[in-house]
Amino acid sequence: DQQVKQNSPSLSVQEGRISILNCDYTNSMFDYFLWYKKYPAEGPTFLISISSIKDKNEDGRFTVFLNKSAKHLSLHIVPSQPGDSAVYFCAASATGGGADGLTFGKGTHLIIQP
Amino acid sequence: DAGITQSPRYKITETGRQVTLMCHQTWSHSYMFWYRQDLGHGLRLIYYSAAADITDKGEVPDGYVVSRSKTENFPLTLESATRSQTSVYFCASTEGVLAFFGQGTRLTVV
Repeated sequence: DQQVKQNSPSLSVQEGRISILNCDYTNSMFDYFLWYKKYPAEGPTFLISISSIKDKNEDGRFTVFLNKSAKHLSLHIVPSQPGDSAVYFCAASATGGGADGLTFGKGTHLIIQP
Repeated sequence: DAGITQSPRYKITETGRQVTLMCHQTWSHSYMFWYRQDLGHGLRLIYYSAAADITDKGEVPDGYVVSRSKTENFPLTLESATRSQTSVYFCASTEGVLAFFGQGTRLTVV
């Protein structure tokens, strides 16, 4: 049973517009959430995170929103740029680090159209 | 350079062969992980290690063996490679909840 779900395999957005990537989770024990970005032929790199005690975290053009009651989080990218084209993975942790590591979603391929 | 490195970057092997993927980190992080990335499945945990000589299974451990004699190294061995193990393999280490990934090894089993 998939505990972290990214239901959109791909998303196409025009340059300059907002990109919204969604993620749902089922495990109530998850208390920390992260977004990773992955370019082809490279390893995933950390983008932004949020603790379950917050509902929003912002870093430049990137904002992550957490709705605990709905078990839903989203990543907003404003404005979208061509370099944002990548696969984005949502990840969750229930252990505060270590142990079982991170549980990842299947990823969303974001394509920024010029 | 500080970080986590994997070798080889690309590998082609035949069915039934043993192959070992190497992973080395320079941070002395306690936890290390092996994931595989497949289309439609995202990143799935194969094995992880909490410290030297301590390893445990992840979500998809069948057909794989790991060891960790030193904190900095965490090799992954496919004892008898199968075509279903064709994948991209990522090694990671963690500081708290934050995972740092290697560049990946693309393994093709023919």
